[in-house]
Amino acid sequence: AQSVTQLGSHVSVSEGALVLLRCNYSSSVPPYLFWYVQYPNQGLQLLLKYTTGATLVKGINGFEAEFKKSETSFHLTKPSAHMSDAAEYFCAVSAFSGNTPLVFGKGTRLSVIA
Amino acid sequence: EPEVTQTPSHQVTQMGQEVILRCVPISNHLYFYWYRQILGQKVEFLVSFYNNEISEKSEIFDDQFSVERPDGSNFTLKIRSTKLEDSAMYFCASSGQGLSGNTIYFGEGSWLTVV
Repeated sequence: AQSVTQLGSHVSVSEGALVLLRCNYSSSVPPYLFWYVQYPNQGLQLLLKYTTGATLVKGINGFEAEFKKSETSFHLTKPSAHMSDAAEYFCAVSAFSGNTPLVFGKGTRLSVIA
Repeated sequence: EPEVTQTPSHQVTQMGQEVILRCVPISNHLYFYWYRQILGQKVEFLVSFYNNEISEKSEIFDDQFSVERPDGSNFTLKIRSTKLEDSAMYFCASSGQGLSGNTIYFGEGSWLTVV
């Protein structure tokens, strides 16, 4: 079974500050890991994903995430927040093999203060 | 960029009524999914569909629910005899390959309100 825990349902940062959204996963098999973003009144958009290979993955809009197996974490970061980053962010996991569905975390709402 | 489209964007229905949510997946995709998100809760997997049959379903997807691909482009979710607790955002999604590690593209969702 797989699960995802996102620490902090709401994170608030100042414009230009570092964004750090935390995600820890539980998986009995090697995981695939994803971050999705949901802007108001829009669908889920893939930010980035980790499958195999390099553990630091870069995504769209300047976001990146690092897969740390020892910590079972896949935290999302961005060096400098922009007002347009305000959205809901979801971490998700699926199994390395087989057609298992995505399991999502509860989401973290990011607010950016001018 | 190709996208998954869903209709309606919002539907209000009375308890006990049947609802059909429609989706047009990305045209060359082979795998189709429905997820739902009850307000304030996680996005939850309902069902996946491949080669004209259900490939996997969650415990949420009971006999009240059904999916269909009636033609070459549409993918529908039918909810029979709706209950108040069916009120949620329903997301359709599609992918070109199987679930694992491949990008799943989501639609903008259909808000269902059961009154």
